[in-house]
Amino acid sequence: EIVLTQSPGTLSLSPGERATLSCRASQSVSSIYLAWYQQKPGQAPRLLIYGASNRATGIPDRFSGSGSGTDFTLTITRLEPEDFAVYYCQQYGSSPLTFGGGTKVEIK
Amino acid sequence: EVQLLESGGGLGQPGGSLRLSCAASGFTFSSYAMSWVRQAPGRGLEWVSAISGSGGSTYYADSVKGRFTISRDNSKNTLYLQMNNLRAEDTAVYYCARGRIWFGDYWYFDLWGRGTLVTVSS
Repeated sequence: EIVLTQSPGTLSLSPGERATLSCRASQSVSSIYLAWYQQKPGQAPRLLIYGASNRATGIPDRFSGSGSGTDFTLTITRLEPEDFAVYYCQQYGSSPLTFGGGTKVEIK
Repeated sequence: EVQLLESGGGLGQPGGSLRLSCAASGFTFSSYAMSWVRQAPGRGLEWVSAISGSGGSTYYADSVKGRFTISRDNSKNTLYLQMNNLRAEDTAVYYCARGRIWFGDYWYFDLWGRGTLVTVSS
């Protein structure tokens, strides 16, 4: 099973600042098999990025993904008020599919 | 409108059973693999099970293998999760999710339902 470790656990930032979220895999994951989701309280997760760097339909271009091998990054260039949420990475290169533990982006 | 709507959650007894349903609309249901993903209170996401578009292939997390059964009825655009021998650690919100393949054999999830809460307690 591929374990995904996300850091930091919590990121305290102000609107307009840049957010950099990390997702590290316990073994190499092809970049085409890495996705990112956003979840707000009481809501279902929403797909942001698939294939490590491809934005899903309707996702603003302030969200970008990068990385390869065991290290992946989600970057939000300028935080908007609606971006404060929990973010999860997911690998789908092998079964069982696994998610990271999440990074909470909170208002400083 | 493209959507997924789960139902069937509630209170289950340890060792008991529950059956979850997920009604799909707005897309060709049989063309997509579907999954169940759960989230324990205050915790992260855990993939539970998946089924191919035809229903011919099924996949399970080790934590539910032998206790849960995923199935689908493409004529009714509905996904199911039969949950037997329930345990306290099965307490979670259960989401159904539409799977998409980007190369490879497995899925990321581009459409999610709102979830249904399952509580296992005596």
